[in-house]
Amino acid sequence: AQSVSQHNHHVILSEAASLELGCNYSYGGTVNLFWYVQYPGQHLQLLLKYFSGDPLVKGIKGFEAEFIKSKFSFNLRKPSVQWSDTAEYFCAVNDGNRDDKIIFGKGTRLHILP
Amino acid sequence: DVKVTQSSRYLVKRTGEKVFLECVQDMDHENMFWYRQDPGLGLRLIYFSYDVKMKEKGDIPEGYSVSREKKERFSLILESASTNQTSMYLCASGTGRYEQYFGPGTRLTVT
Repeated sequence: AQSVSQHNHHVILSEAASLELGCNYSYGGTVNLFWYVQYPGQHLQLLLKYFSGDPLVKGIKGFEAEFIKSKFSFNLRKPSVQWSDTAEYFCAVNDGNRDDKIIFGKGTRLHILP
Repeated sequence: DVKVTQSSRYLVKRTGEKVFLECVQDMDHENMFWYRQDPGLGLRLIYFSYDVKMKEKGDIPEGYSVSREKKERFSLILESASTNQTSMYLCASGTGRYEQYFGPGTRLTVT
């Protein structure tokens, strides 16, 4: 069965620090990969997604993620975080042969100190 | 603007009660989903529906059932609520391949 592993459960950074959140998945076939974000008190929303093509994908608010197929990884990065990036981040994977469900990781709580 | 709405933001029920959580989407999506979100466990899929009257079990269906009589509406039913079902319940619609759109969530407390 597919699974998604997020390396860090809780990350604390100061403003302007660089961010990298790790995500690994276990599935050998074609996959679609996502990062979702949940800001305090808000809906879960899509941050960025990878389907095919350029393995470096850019999302909203300056975030990007790199798909490394050989490492089954899809790490999220941002060069300089802001206080407003405080949120919970979820990595997710979809079996590319199915158009329905996705599997979420357990989430990483990111806390940015002003 | 796409919308997924859930009938309640907060709900308190007693053990043994039958609980209905309602979700409505206005995007004409065929797929709808129910998840529960617990700290440290992320989002876990309870059930999803890929068409009216069609459903498929997710990873944790025990103690839950669902109903989809109309395309826009997907209900989660707790037949006999128990304290271990205290959680945040999230509804979503969309596709696994592209994007799922989430509702605001219902925080259910079972006492």
